[in-house]
Amino acid sequence: AQTVTQSQPEMSVQEAETVTLSCTYDTSESNYYLFWYKQPPSRQMILVIRQEAYKQQNATENRFSVNFQKAAKSFSLKISDSQLGDTAMYFCASGPGAGSYQLTFGKGTKLSVIP
Amino acid sequence: NAGVTQTPKFRILKIGQSMTLQCTQDMNHNYMYWYRQDPGMGLKLIYYSVGAGITDKGEVPNGYNVSRSTTEDFPLRLELAAPSQTSVYFCASSSPQRATQFFGPGTRLTVL
Repeated sequence: AQTVTQSQPEMSVQEAETVTLSCTYDTSESNYYLFWYKQPPSRQMILVIRQEAYKQQNATENRFSVNFQKAAKSFSLKISDSQLGDTAMYFCASGPGAGSYQLTFGKGTKLSVIP
Repeated sequence: NAGVTQTPKFRILKIGQSMTLQCTQDMNHNYMYWYRQDPGMGLKLIYYSVGAGITDKGEVPNGYNVSRSTTEDFPLRLELAAPSQTSVYFCASSSPQRATQFFGPGTRLTVL
């Protein structure tokens, strides 16, 4: 069984500043994936970034990067140069590295970018 | 390439009514999923399918049924709607080679 915990229900950041969203997880899988999804007010689930657990290098996608600490089971998301369009719910999720790839989601962090 | 499409976008049901939520993907993905998202919560897996004719239960399957007769379609059936099924429903798909799931726009269902 997998569990994902996001301990920050809400966060805010000034435009152009940097913010870090926290996520911890627990899994019995030896190979697994971790994801951050963004859900703006439109409700659409949008993939932000993904990390394969067997890779030591932290994933980056433009202004988005992760800090993956495998031993601590921590997977935080850093957003640099925050933009108004980053305002959204952010969900951390984990899934097995093989089989059906079922995802387990955290409860989400509501991020507000302030002009 | 439309990705994952869901119909309807919104629906109001009375207690005891039945309905089918439609989901179609055009990415030739073998794997498809149904999730529900309750207010203030993350998504929870209802059912999933790894290919046509193969389905399995997720974390919260009670009150729902699915079928998968084609690669493209994965409908979710609610037989006797209950207020506890008021939620937003998301369909998703992925390929066996890649774990990333692509989501549809969701269906907001209210049961009164």
